[in-house]
Amino acid sequence: GQQLNQSPQSMFIQEGEDVSMNCTSSSIFNTWLWYKQDPGEGPVLLIALYKAGELTSNGRLTAQFGTTRKDSFLNISASIPSDVGIYFCATFTGTASKLTFGTGTRLQVTL
Amino acid sequence: DADVTQTPRNRITKTGKRIMLECSQTKGHDRMYWYRQDPGLGLRLIYYSFDVKDINKGEISDGYSVSRQAQAKFSLSLESAIPNQTALYFCATSDRTAPAYNEQFFGPGTRLTVL
Repeated sequence: GQQLNQSPQSMFIQEGEDVSMNCTSSSIFNTWLWYKQDPGEGPVLLIALYKAGELTSNGRLTAQFGTTRKDSFLNISASIPSDVGIYFCATFTGTASKLTFGTGTRLQVTL
Repeated sequence: DADVTQTPRNRITKTGKRIMLECSQTKGHDRMYWYRQDPGLGLRLIYYSFDVKDINKGEISDGYSVSRQAQAKFSLSLESAIPNQTALYFCATSDRTAPAYNEQFFGPGTRLTVL
């Protein structure tokens, strides 16, 4: 099946630092979604992108639809301890709105 | 109260046993999904249902079956559990109307261990 590769796999940062992560694919997509999974919980949607080049912010989070439509980026500014978790990109593959998730980026924030 | 609930939250079972995981939602959504999560593999779709009479296989349906008993309930069964079905299982729901159908709401997950 379609693979969405996320990098980095994991990152350890200090509180206050900015974070960047990305998601790449070999195929073109029309939608990119970014989810966050807190420890012991299900994923929660952070940001949805619906057109090439789109940039959308949600508080300290900013996500961008890559111009090739094969990738997307998520940035977190001024990280805080509650940013800890796993971040997943996702998009729709095939028919009938089937959501495919990326491999995830695990974020750890140290004080 | 949680909008999407899953029971049980944790389950340990033995190889060959039949297991049912249950999902209920109060969001009034038509669409429901079952995913499994393994370390390093993200979430993978097992089955999905767009209404009570609609059942569709996902990416990894072998060894699983589902039942949509009502709009609000979608259960996942492992007829004969095997150790490589040890994983975290998530139920999700979404609305039928665009673009809201893009947003899937997840339950808290069920951690299943097959010995």
